[in-house]
Amino acid sequence: DSGVTQTPKHLITATGQRVTLRCSPRSGDLSVYWYQQSLDQGLQFLIQYYNGEERAKGNILERFSAQQFPDLHSELNLSSLELGDSALYFCASSPLKIASNEQFFGPGTRLTVL
Amino acid sequence: ILNVEQSPQSLHVQEGDSTNFTCSFPSSNFYALHWYRWETAKSPEALFVMTLNGDEKKKGRISATLNTKEGYSYLYIKGSQPEDSATYLCAFLPGGYQKVTFGTGTKLQVIP
Repeated sequence: DSGVTQTPKHLITATGQRVTLRCSPRSGDLSVYWYQQSLDQGLQFLIQYYNGEERAKGNILERFSAQQFPDLHSELNLSSLELGDSALYFCASSPLKIASNEQFFGPGTRLTVL
Repeated sequence: ILNVEQSPQSLHVQEGDSTNFTCSFPSSNFYALHWYRWETAKSPEALFVMTLNGDEKKKGRISATLNTKEGYSYLYIKGSQPEDSATYLCAFLPGGYQKVTFGTGTKLQVIP
């Protein structure tokens, strides 16, 4: 158990809908990262937050947005969902803002868009 | 788009064999390289964080080396055990920004 929690574990929804994925980092960790793993693809970095502020942006679609709250939990919002958004979404946390620190991954949320 | 490649894509070894695999990354603008172990139905778990050219890190039977000048890192497993079966991922971090690029992984199967 890495100490990072993600909810829900599974989510099934329809195209065009909007969903929110939630992540709670390890106690004391200030950085949160979001990743997407689609079928037959590696982990794709989406976005990083540090202490409530966006630090780095990766391959995140405009239909997706994220935020980190004062209690350091983070939410990833996915809207106008398409079939291709079906994937495993991971959140990871690390203590500092520099990504050279190892990251601790949550169990992931599996999103299925029908 | 940064090119991070891992080879081989998959590997089957007998229990007790030693094995190694490669992560290749851009040799310019290096900041750090991470290795992760990812077991089926679990989440990735950090093995090593490597930041300096010539770094060698070791954790039990697993070790890793880093060559930033030529853009590669090797992961070695000595005396493979069935519990080593997993996908091994490397992640490259360039300098200047914090965008992590993961390789597609090497899937290791250790046959008892």
